[in-house]
Amino acid sequence: DAGVIQSPRHEVTEMGQEVTLRCKPISGHNSLFWYRQTMMRGLELLIYFNNNVPIDDSGMPEDRFSAKMPNASFSTLKIQPSEPRDSAVYFCASSPRAVEQFFGPGTRLTVL
Amino acid sequence: GNSVTQMEGPVTLSEEAFLTINCTYTATGYPSLFWYVQYPGEGLQLLLKATKADDKGSNKGFEATYRKETTSFHLEKGSVQVSDSAVYFCALLYGSSNTGKLIFGQGTTLQVKP
Repeated sequence: DAGVIQSPRHEVTEMGQEVTLRCKPISGHNSLFWYRQTMMRGLELLIYFNNNVPIDDSGMPEDRFSAKMPNASFSTLKIQPSEPRDSAVYFCASSPRAVEQFFGPGTRLTVL
Repeated sequence: GNSVTQMEGPVTLSEEAFLTINCTYTATGYPSLFWYVQYPGEGLQLLLKATKADDKGSNKGFEATYRKETTSFHLEKGSVQVSDSAVYFCALLYGSSNTGKLIFGQGTTLQVKP
């Protein structure tokens, strides 16, 4: 299995632009998680899905952030408009039963 | 509420030294406990886990015992190697096994010098 796949691995954009991060979970896993990691705030859970349905989005920082999971093999995290304080590494993780989570390699986002 | 507290880093050790990274938790009920490791430039990987009191998780020479009486899950290794240099995260599973989410500690950086 290829593991959790995230794209792009690196993204540099200018403030105000729309950013879309993509994730392909491990086949057969029914839970998907989006995290953000920064030096200041550590690892934060933004949102997670179970069977493609958002279960808890209380970690989404504000309305500029949105996440979708249109099917079991794909999810997106969108930031519109982006701001410099959104600069971070964004991780996607999937789980067969929300017990053990398998993390992707992350997307390093820099907003100038 | 539910939370995880880890000892602050960085922890700097010489190769073959003994490692302890402290982790304590606050939770209602009986959570499952985990240690994840993050190597530079990579995502987190599960290192070991324990699902009930007195369970001992172990992997790659690392061990941690689920101590309910002290609400702790300290990570230990008898002899560290340079390749163990990484950030280590303690976590607990909050909620059911089908819809639960992990609560992570702040992470502890380990640096092992030759």
